[in-house]
Amino acid sequence: EAAVTQSPRNKVTVTGGNVTLSCRQTNSHNYMYWYRQDTGHGLRLIHYSYGAGNLQIGDVPDGYKATRTTQEDFFLLLELASPSQTSLYFCASSEPGGQDTQYFGPGTRLLVL
Amino acid sequence: GEQVEQLPSILRVQEGSSASINCTYENSASNYFPWYKQEPGENPKLIIDIRSNMERKQTQGLIVLLDKKAKRFSLHITDTQPGDSAMYFCAASNNNNRIFFGDGTQLVVKP
Repeated sequence: EAAVTQSPRNKVTVTGGNVTLSCRQTNSHNYMYWYRQDTGHGLRLIHYSYGAGNLQIGDVPDGYKATRTTQEDFFLLLELASPSQTSLYFCASSEPGGQDTQYFGPGTRLLVL
Repeated sequence: GEQVEQLPSILRVQEGSSASINCTYENSASNYFPWYKQEPGENPKLIIDIRSNMERKQTQGLIVLLDKKAKRFSLHITDTQPGDSAMYFCAASNNNNRIFFGDGTQLVVKP
């Protein structure tokens, strides 16, 4: 079973705060993804990457930055958090790309006050 | 477009009956169609998938059907049990680097 871990698991911040969500996968997958999950919207893709140093824009990128520092590590950055970014965030990895199983991390629940 | 429409959003069935979830997609080049199950408080996990060279696939009480002409695919759960209660997501991919998810179906199996 592929291993994807996320930290922190829960985070509370205030409007305008700076938040970094971390994701690590140990399965040598090239592709990694950040999703947010909200009631009524399912899983929406924020950013994704197909390798260290690469970044691709997803469907809901506004207000988010991301960085893929190594094959294992993918970070999601909220530099000026807003209440609309309160959500459940999932990281996932897969190989190759969209044509195989996506392995999801346990999720990070973010609350922006 | 790449949208995937999923219906219904909520499905309530009696234990032992079957449940069906339907999805449609826009991109005729889509060729990979996975289904994910998400139990409360958990992450989504792949339960079954089908590729465009097949019309039907079955495994452990799950059946998926694919109609490429209508751009429609569906998941059928036979003999539902309370443990089948969960959120289910369909998705579609077209040799791109990503997949496109439907908005999910909350399945409730009543004992």
